[in-house]
Amino acid sequence: VRLQESGPGLVKPSETLSLTCTVSGGSIDSYYWSWVRQPPGKRLEWIGFLSYNGNTRYNPSLKSRVTISGDTSKKQFSLKLRSVSGADTAVYYCARDLLGDYYFDSWGQGTLVTVSS
Amino acid sequence: EIVLTQSPGTLSLSPGERATLSCRASQSVSTNYLAWYQHKRGQAPRLLIYGASTRATGIPDRFSGSGTGTDFTLTISRVEPEDFAVYYCQQYGNSPNTFGQGTKLDIK
Repeated sequence: VRLQESGPGLVKPSETLSLTCTVSGGSIDSYYWSWVRQPPGKRLEWIGFLSYNGNTRYNPSLKSRVTISGDTSKKQFSLKLRSVSGADTAVYYCARDLLGDYYFDSWGQGTLVTVSS
Repeated sequence: EIVLTQSPGTLSLSPGERATLSCRASQSVSTNYLAWYQHKRGQAPRLLIYGASTRATGIPDRFSGSGTGTDFTLTISRVEPEDFAVYYCQQYGNSPNTFGQGTKLDIK
């Protein structure tokens, strides 16, 4: 399975960051699908997952600002992060999550999103 | 949440040498649910080990994982040129899953 992130590389403060992950070589009707990010110089941080049956769970640190959704017909799942600030500047990865909030056996290459006016 | 601390920050070795990377947890990792990843710049991270010691599909047997509780180790028996990268540990036994800060393995 291959994953590819897409979306704007620059977002203004207070606006909404939107990214899409396209899955190829496999179905998104099974497994769990997560977003992970890494701010410059900091460690990786799990953002949340979307399950094969539409359930979601988010990291408590971001829960109030995050929505993850999916479109099985397009084999895509998406991330929306609201009210962004400079602290949200990071490389964002999508990944296949074995059981939800678990380990990740396939990752995208990541996309850098910079929050700046 | 569990904080993972990796050491050393950088490990400088020559090809053929043995690499030992450490990951220490702030509290016991439930069921030894610990994974290791390899990450090269500009590439997707690659799962190496899960369940502390189980190699992922296609991972060479020079990579091995061990440990229990709060102390875990990734060992590369003989480092190959393609192994120079950053290595991360991750615990997924306690929610939310969390990552270490990484160990960079570079060429001496």
